[in-house]
Amino acid sequence: DVVMTQTPVSLSVSLGGQTSISCRSSQSLVHSDGNTYLYWYLQKPGQSPQLLIYKVSNRFSGVPDRFSGSGSGTDFTLKISRVEPEDLGVYYCYQGTHYPYTFGAGTKLELK
Amino acid sequence: EVQLVESGGGLVQPGRSLKLSCAASGFTFSNYYMAWVRQAPKKGLEWVATISTSGSRTYYPDSVKGRFTISRDNAKSSLYLQMNSLKSEDTATYYCARHERAPDYWGQGVMVTVSS
Repeated sequence: DVVMTQTPVSLSVSLGGQTSISCRSSQSLVHSDGNTYLYWYLQKPGQSPQLLIYKVSNRFSGVPDRFSGSGSGTDFTLKISRVEPEDLGVYYCYQGTHYPYTFGAGTKLELK
Repeated sequence: EVQLVESGGGLVQPGRSLKLSCAASGFTFSNYYMAWVRQAPKKGLEWVATISTSGSRTYYPDSVKGRFTISRDNAKSSLYLQMNSLKSEDTATYYCARHERAPDYWGQGVMVTVSS
């Protein structure tokens, strides 16, 4: 199975500040069709996860441009700029390239 | 607006069965793969099952293969998860999700507790 390793486990950030989360996969996430199926989710306290970024760098509908994704192969990054209170929660990366599909363990974003 | 509403959760004894349902609306259900994802209490997310648009293809991780069955009824815009031989480690919130290589829209989740 593809292991998704997220770092750090937790982050403290000031409102208005910038931060980033790393996700590394144990195998390349480049699919035979040429796409890289790496996604980012945010789970706010008491809520269902919500999709932020699909296929490495594409923002999902309604996601503000403060969120950006980058990376390739096995190394990926989610950047959050101008952090707002509604950005707090647990962030997960996910790969949809190889069965079984797998999530990272999560990164908790808290206020400093 | 995409809506996914799960039902059927509850307390069940180890070894018993339970069937979850998910009612979908706000999109053409028959055009999308669908999936179930679970989250054990205070833990991370685990993909549980995916089903193709027609229902002819299904996919599972080893942790549930042979015990869980995902199915759908396109005429009713409904998704199901039949869970047999339940174990304590199946205790989790189960989310129904629209799935295009990855979940995009998620339901609110339904709790399943496996305990004697």
